[in-house]
Amino acid sequence: GIQVEQSPPDLILQEGANSTLRCNFSDSVNNLQWFHQNPWGQLINLFYIPSGTKQNGRLSATTVATERYSLLYISSSQTTDSGVYFCAVEQGWRDDKIIFGKGTRLHILP
Amino acid sequence: DVKVTQSSRYLVKRTGEKVFLECVQDMDHENMFWYRQDPGLGLRLIYFSYDVKMKEKGDIPEGYSVSREKKERFSLILESASTNQTSMYLCASSPTGAALRESLRDEQYFGPGTRLTVT
Repeated sequence: GIQVEQSPPDLILQEGANSTLRCNFSDSVNNLQWFHQNPWGQLINLFYIPSGTKQNGRLSATTVATERYSLLYISSSQTTDSGVYFCAVEQGWRDDKIIFGKGTRLHILP
Repeated sequence: DVKVTQSSRYLVKRTGEKVFLECVQDMDHENMFWYRQDPGLGLRLIYFSYDVKMKEKGDIPEGYSVSREKKERFSLILESASTNQTSMYLCASSPTGAALRESLRDEQYFGPGTRLTVT
């Protein structure tokens, strides 16, 4: 089945820094989402982005479907950005599965 | 605001017990999901429901069953709890009744999770 790898696994940054999180997938996908899980465990959707670029405030995401990766950019990090970021993919045409990456744990220091 | 609630934040059960985890959403969403989250493994889908009484198996359905008798409520049942089912269980819902292969097109709203320990 499709493999989803996220990097780096852990990231510690000072408040105000910028960061780039990466999601690689081993086969073509129909759908891709980025999620954030805060330190208290609450998960929220960030972006639905099977291809192209989207921006929402300090966060933006880019998926290059032909090269099988997606990037999540966080600019001017705040302590509230801390937590774990997951990407999840669906192949759709091949498999009825949602596959999550193992996540990138981000810790923003004040 | 969409609200997804789960019956317990923490639960401790004994091996062999029948365990019910309840999830309720208040926004008339069609799709509901049960995931488990384990350290180093991310989230894995256990079961998915796209309508009342309709369900599909996810990646790891073994040892679990589900029930959706009403649109707003999706229950996860551990018929005979085992120690390897110790985990964080997350429920989610999304608005449209999409098939599983298209469900990531929709925003999912997650509950706070239930941390289940089976001793």
